[in-house]
Amino acid sequence: KNEVEQSPQNLTAQEGEFITINCSYSVGISALHWLQQHPGGGIVSLFMLSSGKKKHGRLIATINIQEKHSSLHITASHPRDSAVYICAVRFSRGAQKLVFGQGTRLTINP
Amino acid sequence: EPEVTQTPSHQVTQMGQEVILRCVPISNHLYFYWYRQILGQKVEFLVSFYNNEISEKSEIFDDQFSVERPDGSNFTLKIRSTKLEDSAMYFCASSEEVGLGAFFGQGTRLTVV
Repeated sequence: KNEVEQSPQNLTAQEGEFITINCSYSVGISALHWLQQHPGGGIVSLFMLSSGKKKHGRLIATINIQEKHSSLHITASHPRDSAVYICAVRFSRGAQKLVFGQGTRLTINP
Repeated sequence: EPEVTQTPSHQVTQMGQEVILRCVPISNHLYFYWYRQILGQKVEFLVSFYNNEISEKSEIFDDQFSVERPDGSNFTLKIRSTKLEDSAMYFCASSEEVGLGAFFGQGTRLTVV
């Protein structure tokens, strides 16, 4: 079964800390997405990766295809980064659907 | 910045009624999707739509559900004979090509009572 697992499920940190959220998947993929979901429920796409590393501001996403693993890092975390971060994958080149992880709830305290 | 727009933001309906959830995808996008998220659970794929027909659907997307692109701008999800377990947040998404990132709407929270 094609599955996506995230860890940790919940993460609380102090402002300024370096944050790492992990995602692993069961079989080879064509693309991996990192998404952010705010308390109101809306989903924002942060990154789409198929290899290597991407950076946008304080956010960095990496993927290791051989190990079937991706990480999302947040540097100099801020309370406004508090949200649910979700990993989602497209399991094959022809597949149109995304399979989602369960999300990591991040809380950054001031 | 272009965005996917969903209406309404919140809908309450009686069990057994039909609801239509509406979405306006980004104008040059060709692929359209519906996902749902039951409270406390993962986001789940429902259906994808391309070239005026369903291109992929999940086991959840049974005869109770249908999608339509009635006028070239709107993309709708119809749920017939709603059940309590249909209560969820429903997300519309669109993408320019299947291999590119999808843009999500803000969601419609459906509550069936």
